[in-house]
Amino acid sequence: NAGVMQNPRHLVRRRGQEARLRCSPMKGHSHVYWYRQLPEEGLKFMVYLQKENIIDESGMPKERFSAEFPKEGPSILRIQQVVRGDSAAYFCASSLTGTHNEQFFGPGTRLTVL
Amino acid sequence: GESVGLHLPTLSVQEGDNSIINCAYSNSASDYFIWYKQESGKGPQFIIDIRSNMDKRQGQRVTVLLNKTVKHLSLQIAATQPGDSAVYFCAELSGGSNYKLTFGKGTLLTVNP
Repeated sequence: NAGVMQNPRHLVRRRGQEARLRCSPMKGHSHVYWYRQLPEEGLKFMVYLQKENIIDESGMPKERFSAEFPKEGPSILRIQQVVRGDSAAYFCASSLTGTHNEQFFGPGTRLTVL
Repeated sequence: GESVGLHLPTLSVQEGDNSIINCAYSNSASDYFIWYKQESGKGPQFIIDIRSNMDKRQGQRVTVLLNKTVKHLSLQIAATQPGDSAVYFCAELSGGSNYKLTFGKGTLLTVNP
């Protein structure tokens, strides 16, 4: 029973490039959450998605960041025109329902912007 | 600012001792709290949770205490083992949300053999 999977685990981009981070939720989970973790900080909520719907994107920067969770395939967090400040660990979590339900986290993608 | 924070950034204990990790929160309306363990290079792992209508909850070797009067949360780990070495985060469901977790900055627990 595979847990939440994220890829790539490490991603290096130069300033101005695009970063695409993928998340496959646990089997049977249709609720996906993205969090960002800066060095020596706690995780910060970014966005909550269900299949084909963005439920809450209140934690997403207004520009350059977007997320999707298509009917088929993984959830994608996309960062356009990356800047050094985007360097962080990005974690995806999934849950069975969206209500007070345990969120299982993936191993994260560590993005480094040169 | 952060609504969830920790008193101590690091804690070092001897193997076999009990560990206590503390957390303060500021949102008196928060009704659900979770402790996560994060090992180096991994995602947070659920340890134990507690709802605001409880004062104490026990798991295997772990106990969470909630003091709503002073808005304080603690995680007690009994007979700490080297495998317990990790960063521990408390998190709360914030802003009336039932899914948006707010994390504190974390406490690094180091267990010395």
